Amino acid sequence: QKEVEQNSGPLSVPEGAIASLNCTYSDRGSQSFFWYRQYSGKSPELIMSIYSNGDKEDGRFTAQLNKASQYVSLLIRDSQPSDSATYLCAVNRYNFNKFYFGSGTKLNVKP
Amino acid sequence: GAGVSQSPRYKVAKRGQDVALRCDPISGHVSLFWYQQALGQGPEFLTYFQNEAQLDKSGLPSDRFFAERPEGSVSTLKIQRTQQEDSAVYLCASSVQGAISYGYTFGSGTRLTVV
Repeated sequence: QKEVEQNSGPLSVPEGAIASLNCTYSDRGSQSFFWYRQYSGKSPELIMSIYSNGDKEDGRFTAQLNKASQYVSLLIRDSQPSDSATYLCAVNRYNFNKFYFGSGTKLNVKP
Repeated sequence: GAGVSQSPRYKVAKRGQDVALRCDPISGHVSLFWYQQALGQGPEFLTYFQNEAQLDKSGLPSDRFFAERPEGSVSTLKIQRTQQEDSAVYLCASSVQGAISYGYTFGSGTRLTVV
């Protein structure tokens, strides 16, 4: 079983819609959770982090964490074509110096 | 510079050739990480340095992979006798000590193609 699982997509949404990206993780000891955005041919870029159960909002992005269900999600409101990218979920265990990444979900926002 | 710098940006190696990939972290960053990202996959951890000490090399896929950071700043990832399965993007990241739980920033990566 992989540490972090994501649906590879592609997820297609129309411009202006809400995009919902999901991630599950296997280790209940995971403490920190991150969403990275990766454009084709570029390196991953950190966009959100979340540490506690519930929602965390940053502009058009909302990260949601449910530790009981071992589930992390990212909502992108008012999706724009520039949001088209692969979104990587990453988790970190307390006092561990490595991140475990999912394989990413490809998002296409259609004009 | 302001960010993590990696060189070369692209490297084509013939199978069996040795390669060396360089990472120049953000000034003052104690922690340095190497990841490997195969096509269509997420990054996978290779190794971690705190200053010059390599504290975790559990992700290095074989003894052909070797990393060093002799003066606690620039790091080099060396791959001996490259194989086609080594073709990937190699990403470096650095962070202030103890700040890993806040996430870290990757360099632009080195895309290695073994032919």
